[in-house]
Amino acid sequence: AQKVTQAQTEISVVEKEDVTLDCVYETRDTTYYLFWYKQPPSGELVFLIRRNSFDEQNEISGRYSWNFQKSTSSFNFTITASQVVDSAVYFCALSENSGGSNYKLTFGKGTLLTVNP
Amino acid sequence: DTEVTQTPKHLVMGMTNKKSLKCEQHMGHRAMYWYKQKAKKPPELMFVYSYEKLSINESVPSRFSPECPNSSLLNLHLHALQPEDSALYLCASSQQRTTDTQYFGPGTRLTVL
Repeated sequence: AQKVTQAQTEISVVEKEDVTLDCVYETRDTTYYLFWYKQPPSGELVFLIRRNSFDEQNEISGRYSWNFQKSTSSFNFTITASQVVDSAVYFCALSENSGGSNYKLTFGKGTLLTVNP
Repeated sequence: DTEVTQTPKHLVMGMTNKKSLKCEQHMGHRAMYWYKQKAKKPPELMFVYSYEKLSINESVPSRFSPECPNSSLLNLHLHALQPEDSALYLCASSQQRTTDTQYFGPGTRLTVL
């Protein structure tokens, strides 16, 4: 069963538009962690945010904001006033217990965001 | 400083070659990871080392052999690979626990001929 669903495979916007990337997750754990990573064409995965299951506060960092809702098992990511440099693949990931004290990071399939000038 | 370095950046090898990928971090992290990423797919976990001991092996074929010589270094030894093993190999590290944030290196793009 897919643990992390990013239903949007590709999104294309024009610069300065706002865009929201959706992430829905599935877990039986009460303690888990959610992440967003950005992967530009260069290939390196860049960490954006980590959220634990007990902290439902939304977060804003510059043009980025995240909406965590446990009731709908969603952790959506919004970029305000998008820029060309935001073009990348964005991955949502879930860290949950894989046995003993080990946690495993499971990624969604990713959303390719293209911001056109 | 959240830097993880990987060498080489690109590697081309034949199916009979033996090669190694190297990963290094100087952040004092005690957990290190190898991932494999095929084109247009998410990263897939291969191995996890925690305090220099192998803690997770995701049923990876034995032609991939990880090694953690010390807390800063992680190697992946490659032998008798297949063309389908061509991929981007990503290394990551996290502070102590596997619940901590993983920081990724730039990856090694491997082509097996």
